[in-house]
Amino acid sequence: NFILTQPHSVSGSPGKTITISCTRSSGSIASHFVQWYQQRPGSSPTMVIYEDSQRPSGVPDRFSGSIDGASNSASLIISGLKTEDEADYYCQSYDRTIAVFGGGTTVTVL
Amino acid sequence: QVQLVESGGGVVQAGGSLRLSCAASGFTFSRHGMHWVRQAPGKGLEWVAFIRYDGGNEYYADSVKGRFTISRDTSKNALYLQMNSLRPEDTAVYYCSKDGPVRAAGPYNFDLWGQGTLVTVSS
Repeated sequence: NFILTQPHSVSGSPGKTITISCTRSSGSIASHFVQWYQQRPGSSPTMVIYEDSQRPSGVPDRFSGSIDGASNSASLIISGLKTEDEADYYCQSYDRTIAVFGGGTTVTVL
Repeated sequence: QVQLVESGGGVVQAGGSLRLSCAASGFTFSRHGMHWVRQAPGKGLEWVAFIRYDGGNEYYADSVKGRFTISRDTSKNALYLQMNSLRPEDTAVYYCSKDGPVRAAGPYNFDLWGQGTLVTVSS
């Protein structure tokens, strides 16, 4: 099994760009797609990025995703930060028989 | 309307059992794998179990293997989680979630979530 490690918290001012990292402990980050989920306080999670960099319909293009083989990590980039982006964000990947979530990152808009 | 609605949560003593249900609507249930995911109070998301679109395979997190059983009834568009030998550390909100791809062989992603049902295990 593998672990996905995220920073505990990230903050930024309105209008700025922030990046949340997600590092895979073993196995290549490119071997299985990475997804990202947003969970606002008191709500269920919703998908904001799937298959490393694809946006579900309805998700603003301020959200983007990428992977980096050199650091074995994925990134969620939020540009033009808004107060409504304050939430917990989770990366997720899988193997043949398991799904794994990162520990979550709390985004604070200053 | 595309949605998942969980039910069956409640308070149970350690060692007891509980069965969760999830009613699916608005999509072709028989074409998609389904998951249970849980979230302990103030903690992150933990994948619990997956069942293939046709019920042919089930996969579990090590923390629940041998105690929990996932199942589905396509005729009722329903997903279930039978939880036995419950422990205080099983206390969490349990979410039902739909796997994205059609007819995927194993767990992949979570593109639709229910509102969750709270399970509390007292010691």
